Amino acid sequence: SQQGEEDPQALSIQEGENATMNCSYKTSINNLQWYRQNSGRGLVHLILIRSNEREKHSGRLRVTLDTSKKSSSLLITASRAADTASYFCAMNFGNEKLTFGTGTRLTIIP
Amino acid sequence: DGGITQSPKYLFRKEGQNVTLSCEQNLNHDAMYWYRQDPGQGLRLIYYSQIVNDFQKGDIAEGYSVSREKKESFPLTVTSAQKNPTAFYLCASSGSTGNIQYFGAGTRLSVL
Repeated sequence: SQQGEEDPQALSIQEGENATMNCSYKTSINNLQWYRQNSGRGLVHLILIRSNEREKHSGRLRVTLDTSKKSSSLLITASRAADTASYFCAMNFGNEKLTFGTGTRLTIIP
Repeated sequence: DGGITQSPKYLFRKEGQNVTLSCEQNLNHDAMYWYRQDPGQGLRLIYYSQIVNDFQKGDIAEGYSVSREKKESFPLTVTSAQKNPTAFYLCASSGSTGNIQYFGAGTRLSVL
Protein backbone atom coordinates (compact mmCIF):
# COMPACT_ATOMS: atom_id res chain seq x y z
CA SER A 1 0.00 0.00 0.00
CA GLN A 2 1.18 3.51 -0.66
CA GLN A 3 2.72 5.22 2.30
CA GLY A 4 2.93 8.70 0.83
CA GLU A 5 0.16 11.21 0.48
CA GLU A 6 0.42 14.51 -1.35
CA ASP A 7 -1.73 17.58 -1.23
CA PRO A 8 -3.23 19.30 -2.92
CA GLN A 9 -4.19 16.75 -5.59
CA ALA A 10 -4.39 19.60 -8.10
CA LEU A 11 -3.21 23.18 -8.10
CA SER A 12 -3.74 26.00 -10.62
CA ILE A 13 -1.87 29.26 -10.31
CA GLN A 14 -1.00 32.26 -12.44
CA GLU A 15 2.37 32.41 -14.11
CA GLY A 16 4.86 34.17 -11.87
CA GLU A 17 3.24 33.01 -8.63
CA ASN A 18 4.81 30.50 -6.26
CA ALA A 19 3.54 26.92 -6.03
CA THR A 20 3.73 24.82 -2.88
CA MET A 21 2.93 21.14 -2.64
CA ASN A 22 3.14 18.91 0.38
CA CYS A 23 4.00 15.29 1.05
CA SER A 24 3.34 13.28 4.19
CA TYR A 25 4.53 9.80 5.09
CA LYS A 26 4.05 7.36 7.94
CA THR A 27 7.37 5.78 8.92
CA SER A 28 10.97 6.97 9.23
CA ILE A 29 12.81 7.65 6.00
CA ASN A 30 16.37 7.43 4.79
CA ASN A 31 15.80 10.10 2.16
CA LEU A 32 12.94 11.76 0.29
CA GLN A 33 13.00 12.66 -3.39
CA TRP A 34 10.85 14.79 -5.67
CA TYR A 35 10.14 13.92 -9.29
CA ARG A 36 8.33 15.67 -12.12
CA GLN A 37 6.22 14.01 -14.82
CA ASN A 38 5.06 15.78 -17.94
CA SER A 39 1.85 14.40 -19.38
CA GLY A 40 2.34 10.96 -20.89
CA ARG A 41 6.08 10.89 -20.19
CA GLY A 42 8.49 9.31 -17.74
CA LEU A 43 9.48 10.84 -14.44
CA VAL A 44 12.45 13.15 -14.04
CA HIS A 45 14.33 13.47 -10.76
CA LEU A 46 14.34 16.98 -9.28
CA ILE A 47 15.92 16.90 -5.85
CA LEU A 48 16.87 14.54 -3.01
CA ILE A 49 16.87 15.49 0.67
CA ARG A 50 18.35 13.22 3.31
CA SER A 51 16.76 12.57 6.70
CA ASN A 52 19.40 14.68 8.47
CA GLU A 53 18.80 17.69 6.22
CA ARG A 54 16.09 20.30 6.74
CA GLU A 55 16.20 22.32 3.52
CA LYS A 56 17.69 22.10 0.03
CA HIS A 57 17.64 24.41 -2.94
CA SER A 58 18.04 23.82 -6.64
CA GLY A 59 17.44 26.80 -8.91
CA ARG A 60 13.81 27.86 -8.40
CA LEU A 61 13.08 24.79 -6.28
CA ARG A 62 13.14 24.70 -2.50
CA VAL A 63 12.48 21.52 -0.55
CA THR A 64 11.98 21.32 3.19
CA LEU A 65 11.82 18.24 5.39
CA ASP A 66 10.33 17.99 8.87
CA THR A 67 11.03 14.50 10.18
CA SER A 68 9.15 15.17 13.44
CA LYS A 69 5.97 15.79 11.43
CA LYS A 70 6.90 13.24 8.75
CA SER A 71 6.32 15.77 6.01
CA SER A 72 8.07 17.55 3.17
CA SER A 73 7.21 20.51 0.98
CA LEU A 74 8.27 21.47 -2.53
CA LEU A 75 8.18 25.16 -3.37
CA ILE A 76 8.52 26.34 -6.97
CA THR A 77 9.15 30.07 -7.12
CA ALA A 78 8.30 32.43 -9.98
CA SER A 79 6.38 29.72 -11.84
CA ARG A 80 6.49 29.39 -15.63
CA ALA A 81 4.13 27.74 -18.10
CA ALA A 82 6.76 25.04 -18.60
CA ASP A 83 6.37 24.03 -14.93
CA THR A 84 2.95 22.56 -15.77
CA ALA A 85 3.30 18.88 -14.82
CA SER A 86 2.57 16.35 -12.11
CA TYR A 87 4.93 16.29 -9.14
CA PHE A 88 5.58 13.22 -7.00
CA CYS A 89 7.40 12.71 -3.76
CA ALA A 90 9.17 9.40 -3.28
CA MET A 91 10.34 7.99 0.03
CA ASN A 92 13.26 5.70 0.63
CA PHE A 93 12.62 3.85 3.87
CA GLY A 94 16.13 2.46 4.09
CA ASN A 95 15.59 -0.51 1.79
CA GLU A 96 16.09 -1.07 -1.90
CA LYS A 97 12.86 0.57 -3.08
CA LEU A 98 11.20 3.92 -3.44
CA THR A 99 7.57 4.43 -2.46
CA PHE A 100 5.87 7.13 -4.50
CA GLY A 101 3.21 9.54 -3.31
CA THR A 102 -0.10 10.13 -5.01
CA GLY A 103 1.09 13.23 -6.89
CA THR A 104 0.08 16.86 -7.31
CA ARG A 105 -1.07 18.03 -10.73
CA LEU A 106 0.20 21.59 -11.23
CA THR A 107 -1.21 23.87 -13.92
CA ILE A 108 0.40 27.24 -14.62
CA ILE A 109 -1.98 29.69 -16.26
CA PRO A 110 -0.19 32.06 -18.68
CA ASP B 1 23.07 9.02 -25.56
CA GLY B 2 22.89 7.45 -22.12
CA GLY B 3 19.52 6.52 -20.79
CA ILE B 4 16.67 4.08 -20.61
CA THR B 5 14.78 2.94 -23.68
CA GLN B 6 11.32 1.44 -23.45
CA SER B 7 9.58 -0.13 -26.40
CA PRO B 8 7.08 -0.14 -27.87
CA LYS B 9 5.52 3.21 -27.00
CA TYR B 10 2.01 1.81 -27.54
CA LEU B 11 0.92 -1.82 -27.27
CA PHE B 12 -2.38 -3.57 -27.70
CA ARG B 13 -3.23 -6.88 -26.14
CA LYS B 14 -5.91 -9.31 -27.17
CA GLU B 15 -7.73 -11.30 -24.53
CA GLY B 16 -5.77 -14.36 -23.44
CA GLN B 17 -2.55 -13.09 -24.93
CA ASN B 18 0.80 -12.55 -23.21
CA VAL B 19 2.71 -9.43 -24.21
CA THR B 20 6.26 -8.38 -23.42
CA LEU B 21 7.45 -4.84 -22.77
CA SER B 22 11.08 -4.07 -23.39
CA CYS B 23 13.38 -2.01 -21.15
CA GLU B 24 17.05 -1.43 -21.95
CA GLN B 25 19.54 0.82 -20.16
CA ASN B 26 23.09 1.85 -20.99
CA LEU B 27 23.78 3.61 -17.69
CA ASN B 28 25.60 0.58 -16.23
CA HIS B 29 23.09 0.57 -13.37
CA ASP B 30 22.72 -2.51 -11.20
CA ALA B 31 19.11 -1.96 -10.12
CA MET B 32 16.08 -1.88 -12.40
CA TYR B 33 12.38 -1.44 -11.67
CA TRP B 34 8.97 -1.80 -13.29
CA TYR B 35 6.04 0.40 -12.26
CA ARG B 36 2.41 0.58 -13.25
CA GLN B 37 0.61 3.93 -13.38
CA ASP B 38 -3.16 4.20 -13.73
CA PRO B 39 -4.80 7.47 -14.85
CA GLY B 40 -4.39 10.23 -12.29
CA GLN B 41 -2.58 7.89 -9.91
CA GLY B 42 0.88 7.45 -8.49
CA LEU B 43 3.32 4.69 -9.34
CA ARG B 44 2.96 1.16 -8.03
CA LEU B 45 5.93 -1.20 -8.02
CA ILE B 46 5.50 -4.43 -9.98
CA TYR B 47 8.96 -6.04 -9.86
CA TYR B 48 12.52 -4.92 -9.20
CA SER B 49 15.98 -6.37 -9.65
CA GLN B 50 19.13 -5.47 -7.80
CA ILE B 51 21.47 -7.72 -9.75
CA VAL B 52 21.58 -9.96 -12.80
CA ASN B 53 19.66 -13.23 -12.44
CA ASP B 54 17.82 -12.00 -9.36
CA PHE B 55 14.54 -10.12 -8.95
CA GLN B 56 11.88 -9.54 -6.29
CA LYS B 57 8.14 -8.99 -6.34
CA GLY B 58 6.83 -5.54 -5.69
CA ASP B 59 3.39 -4.56 -4.45
CA ILE B 60 1.37 -5.73 -7.47
CA ALA B 61 3.30 -8.63 -9.05
CA GLU B 62 0.33 -10.92 -9.73
CA GLY B 63 -0.23 -11.42 -13.44
CA TYR B 64 3.25 -10.21 -14.39
CA SER B 65 6.63 -11.87 -14.89
CA VAL B 66 10.16 -10.59 -15.48
CA SER B 67 13.66 -11.82 -16.27
CA ARG B 68 17.11 -10.30 -15.74
CA GLU B 69 19.54 -12.26 -17.87
CA LYS B 70 21.66 -9.23 -18.75
CA LYS B 71 22.57 -6.16 -16.72
CA GLU B 72 21.20 -3.79 -19.34
CA SER B 73 17.86 -5.51 -19.96
CA PHE B 74 14.79 -6.08 -17.79
CA PRO B 75 11.75 -7.15 -19.87
CA LEU B 76 8.28 -7.32 -18.36
CA THR B 77 5.68 -9.84 -19.54
CA VAL B 78 2.03 -9.05 -18.92
CA THR B 79 0.38 -12.46 -18.80
CA SER B 80 -3.21 -13.45 -19.55
CA ALA B 81 -3.67 -13.82 -15.78
CA GLN B 82 -3.56 -10.01 -15.47
CA LYS B 83 -7.24 -9.23 -15.96
CA ASN B 84 -6.93 -5.45 -15.98
CA PRO B 85 -3.70 -4.67 -17.84
CA THR B 86 -4.67 -1.32 -19.32
CA ALA B 87 -2.20 1.17 -17.85
CA PHE B 88 0.96 3.17 -18.42
CA TYR B 89 4.07 1.10 -17.64
CA LEU B 90 7.31 2.75 -16.58
CA CYS B 91 10.77 1.22 -16.31
CA ALA B 92 13.50 2.80 -14.21
CA SER B 93 17.07 2.11 -13.19
CA SER B 94 19.28 3.19 -10.33
CA GLY B 95 23.01 3.14 -9.69
CA SER B 96 22.31 1.85 -6.22
CA THR B 97 19.01 0.78 -4.79
CA GLY B 98 17.03 3.37 -2.90
CA ASN B 99 18.77 6.22 -4.64
CA ILE B 100 17.91 8.40 -7.61
CA GLN B 101 15.97 6.57 -10.30
CA TYR B 102 16.11 7.29 -14.02
CA PHE B 103 12.98 6.59 -16.02
CA GLY B 104 12.16 5.55 -19.54
CA ALA B 105 9.45 7.26 -21.58
CA GLY B 106 6.89 4.56 -20.82
CA THR B 107 4.72 2.05 -22.67
CA ARG B 108 0.97 2.53 -22.85
CA LEU B 109 -0.81 -0.83 -22.90
CA SER B 110 -4.42 -1.17 -23.96
CA VAL B 111 -6.72 -4.13 -24.36
CA LEU B 112 -8.48 -4.78 -27.67
